[in-house]
Formats: sequence, C-alpha cells, structure tokens
Amino acid sequence: KAGVTQTPRYLIKTRGQQVTLSCSPISGHRSVSWYQQTPGQGLQFLFEYFSETQRNKGNFPGRFSGRQFSNSRSEMNVSTLELGDSALYLCAIRDPLNNEQFFGPGTRLTVL
Amino acid sequence: GQQVMQIPQYQHVQEGEDFTTYCNSSTTLSNIQWYKQRPGGHPVFLIQLVKSGEVKKQKRLTFQFGEAKKNSSLHITATQTTDVGTYFCAGPSAGGTSYGKLTFGQGTILTVHP
Repeated sequence: KAGVTQTPRYLIKTRGQQVTLSCSPISGHRSVSWYQQTPGQGLQFLFEYFSETQRNKGNFPGRFSGRQFSNSRSEMNVSTLELGDSALYLCAIRDPLNNEQFFGPGTRLTVL
Repeated sequence: GQQVMQIPQYQHVQEGEDFTTYCNSSTTLSNIQWYKQRPGGHPVFLIQLVKSGEVKKQKRLTFQFGEAKKNSSLHITATQTTDVGTYFCAGPSAGGTSYGKLTFGQGTILTVHP
C-alpha cells in the first residue's frame, strides 16, 4: 500500500521568515498534491506536481511555491511568513486506479 | 468558483444513535470522495462514488451520490465511539486537469457520547 512521509512534523517560525516542507511518497508515485488545513478555511488545495511539473495551482499568493524532484519527492516553500500561514500542511499522493488520495501525517506550522 | 458545502458543521450523538452528513456542490461532479479525519490525524480515504444515484455500503456506513451528481450523503447506523472524527466530502475541482486537485467541504465534526 502507498504511503507518504512528511518532514518535519512540527515547526515554529516567526513572521517574515521562510520555511521549506518536504514530502516523500514511499512508493514513488509521480503525482503529489499539497493542501493547507486551517480551522477557518478548512482543507484548501495548494498545488499539484506530476513528473516534476506543476500541473495545478490553487488560489494562494506567490509566497507559496513548490517543486518536485526526479525521485518524486516534493518540497513546498513559504516565504515571508504571516501569522495566517499557521496551519497543518498536508501532502497527498493519488492512486490512479481509483483516485484515492493517500495523505501524509502533515507538518504543523506555527507562525509567531 | 466551485463550492462544496457540507452540513451540519457539528453533530453530537449518543452512542447507538444514527448520524448523517450532507454534501452539496455548486457544480456537477464527475465523482465524489469521502474522507475521515480523526482528532490529531490526517484525512483517510473512505470511498469514491462515480455513478448518478449510486449507493455504497461499508459495514455501518452508507454513502449516496445524488441523481444530478451534485449532492451526496454519508449515513452511519448505530454510531460507536470509534466513529468520532471529522467527515469530509471532496470532488475534483472544476476546470482542474487532474483528479489530484480536490475541493473539500468544510467537514462535519462528529462526537459520540458513550
């Protein structure tokens, strides 16, 4: 069964800093999606990468960016952090047979 | 843009009671998925519905997809404390080029009192 690891699991940053989060699909899936989860806005799509190319992008400012490497590992970067960026950032891979999305445990980012 | 609305936002039940959450999309969906997120956890896929009017069952859980493919429901019979969590519906985002982009409902938080 497919799986996803995310690092770090917890992170505390201050306003104005930048942060990089990592997502590693265990089985080498080529499609990786990122979501932001907050109590107020719920689960919101950030972007999707497929074979190192960004295939879809959500409605987030340019401070949010990402990339995918040839081994399917993906990173997302948030620059000039704001308090409102505090959230659980989830990475997911999709099973092409049934569209099931496997989510990683997430990175809990706190911006002070 | 596409919106997926879910009601109720919260549901408190006594163990053994039934529970239903409803999902409505502003656009017709090619499919709808349901996820469960336990407190402190991450969303876990439950099921995908594809056909108009489709009904699927998983033990005490019954999922329905509306005839117009714009609404769906999840019904749990005789809730147990293990059912506690947030239940989300999600559909492929309108205009998206792949199923990797989902629009999620706000979720229904279920608490079960023993």
